[in-house]
Amino acid sequence: GQNIDQPTEMTATEGAIVQINCTYQTSGFNGLFWYQQHAGEAPTFLSYNVLDGLEEKGRFSSFLSRSKGYSYLLLKELQMKDSASYLCAVRDGSPGGGNKLTFGTGTQLKVEL
Amino acid sequence: DVKVTQSSRYLVKRTGEKVFLECVQDMDHENMFWYRQDPGLGLRLIYFSYDVKMKEKGDIPEGYSVSREKKERFSLILESASTNQTSMYLCASSNGLAGGWYEQYFGPGTRLTVT
Repeated sequence: GQNIDQPTEMTATEGAIVQINCTYQTSGFNGLFWYQQHAGEAPTFLSYNVLDGLEEKGRFSSFLSRSKGYSYLLLKELQMKDSASYLCAVRDGSPGGGNKLTFGTGTQLKVEL
Repeated sequence: DVKVTQSSRYLVKRTGEKVFLECVQDMDHENMFWYRQDPGLGLRLIYFSYDVKMKEKGDIPEGYSVSREKKERFSLILESASTNQTSMYLCASSNGLAGGWYEQYFGPGTRLTVT
């Protein structure tokens, strides 16, 4: 099975940098996803990590350490539109796991002026 | 662009009614998923399918069934709706090709209220 932990809420200032952490315990690991979800909308894909290290995509970066069961999403130059819930999801690579995703409960980020 | 559509954005049903939630994707994806999303509990997988007429239970299948008669369509069925099934239901699809990322694309969701 999978167990995923991420903070419930975070607040940051426009223009700043924020790091959202995600820790996981898993019986089989085959990649970690980050999704963004604005209120009342569907989740949208942000990033994917399967190997250790940092993946950078514009203002957003995601880091993975498989040995520590740890990932973070880094958002730079925060904008008001970045106020959303950020979901960490782990793909189950164990036999019979079906490559399905298990989601954390999400981190609600509020960006203030 | 991948498009996943769901039959209704809002639905109100009475306890005991049979409820059908429909999901259609237009990218020829092999995999389709049904989740429910509740405050404080996040997204939880109900059922998924990797091929036509194939289904697998997710983490919370009790009280639900699914149907996949065509590749592009995946239906979620509540045989006898109960108030604890009031929730936001999200459908997703992903490519099933070997070596792929399996990134999931989500539909807009159906907010179901059972009274």
